[in-house]
Amino acid sequence: RKEVEQDPGPFNVPEGATVAFNCTYSNSASQSFFWYRQDCRKEPKLLMSVYSSGNEDGRFTAQLNRASQYISLLIRDSKLSDSATYLCVVKRNDMRFGAGTRLTVKP
Amino acid sequence: EAGVTQSPTHLIKTRGQQVTLRCSPISGHTSVYWYQQALGLGLQFLLWYDEGEERNRGNFPPRFSGRQFPNYSSELNVNALELEDSALYLCASSRDRGGLGVTEQFFGPGTRLTVL
Repeated sequence: RKEVEQDPGPFNVPEGATVAFNCTYSNSASQSFFWYRQDCRKEPKLLMSVYSSGNEDGRFTAQLNRASQYISLLIRDSKLSDSATYLCVVKRNDMRFGAGTRLTVKP
Repeated sequence: EAGVTQSPTHLIKTRGQQVTLRCSPISGHTSVYWYQQALGLGLQFLLWYDEGEERNRGNFPPRFSGRQFPNYSSELNVNALELEDSALYLCASSRDRGGLGVTEQFFGPGTRLTVL
């Protein structure tokens, strides 16, 4: 079983849609959680950290459920520029990346 | 503030050859991480260096090795290249020492290695 699992997608949504990505992790000792964004043929960049109480950054909301070992990312009012691959990242002693969920936002 | 830099940007090698990739972390960052991202696949953790020492390695054969220098820059060496080593090799740096703290990793642009 992979340490971090994500639905690979692709998710194809119209502009303005709300889309949610899920991620599960296997190691209950994981300490920190992140969502990264990776554009095609570019390096990953931090989108947001995920806190136990849930957190929001503009149109993006991240939630963590430690009991279920589950992380989510919600994107509201999708923009064309949100098209990218979203990587779920779990950190214990080092960072473990999910394979990513591909999102395409269409006009 | 300069970001993480990597060199070269692209590299073409043949099977059996050896390659060295280089990474300079963000100033003040002591931890350097190496990842392999094969086409269409997720990032696979390769190596983690901090304060000049190897702290952890992923599930890769010993022909993948590296080191970290006193100025915290790092090299990744791959010996006896195989076709499946073709991938984007990403280096990341962070301020924390792993296991503690929640600071994120910042990635360099990567080195795209093609093995023919």
